[in-house]
Amino acid sequence: SQTIHQWPATLVQPVGSPLSLECTVEGTSNPNLYWYRQAAGRGLQLLFYSVGIGQISSEVPQNLSASRPQDRQFILSSKKLLLSDSGFYLCAYGTLGETQYFGPGTRLLVL
Amino acid sequence: QKEVEQNSGPLSVPEGAIASLNCTYSDRGSQSFFWYRQYSGKSPELIMFIYSNGDKEDGRFTAQLNKASQYVSLLIRDSQPSDSATYLCAVRGGGSNYKLTFGKGTLLTVNP
Repeated sequence: SQTIHQWPATLVQPVGSPLSLECTVEGTSNPNLYWYRQAAGRGLQLLFYSVGIGQISSEVPQNLSASRPQDRQFILSSKKLLLSDSGFYLCAYGTLGETQYFGPGTRLLVL
Repeated sequence: QKEVEQNSGPLSVPEGAIASLNCTYSDRGSQSFFWYRQYSGKSPELIMFIYSNGDKEDGRFTAQLNKASQYVSLLIRDSQPSDSATYLCAVRGGGSNYKLTFGKGTLLTVNP
């Protein structure tokens, strides 16, 4: 069975600091991978998705970036965090038929 | 722009009642429809998906799809306090579009 991991679970960072969130998937090969952000009072916003190693599509122009260095690893990064980057970051993988399953999430607070 | 609309609620029902959650979508070419449940502070978990017009039942949950009306709903029978959560509707467009568009969710409260 497939499992998805995210870390860290929570993070408090100062404005202007860098960010690196990691997501790994087990039990499946070549999954589609997704990064979402859920801000308070707002819906799930798709940030990036990847259909393979090194293939990243950006949905929203912002100061975040994503990378997929390995088949089952997806990383979300920022060089300088903004207050508006606070939120709940969710990684998801997609199966055939594109049902998406979410990881446990990382709650980020930028101060 | 593709949109998915849900009543934000809160929807309050007594324990044992039927809860009805509704969702409309703007992209007429949408192919797949998903319902997720999200407890406070947790990540969304898939409840069920539906691809074809009509009803699909899974235990206490029934998803209903009407593509002509661009409407999808989720019925929860014999609602329990543990069903209290935010329910997210998600829609996938047609073709090779892998992306899901999510509604903002409906908060359901089941009162004992």
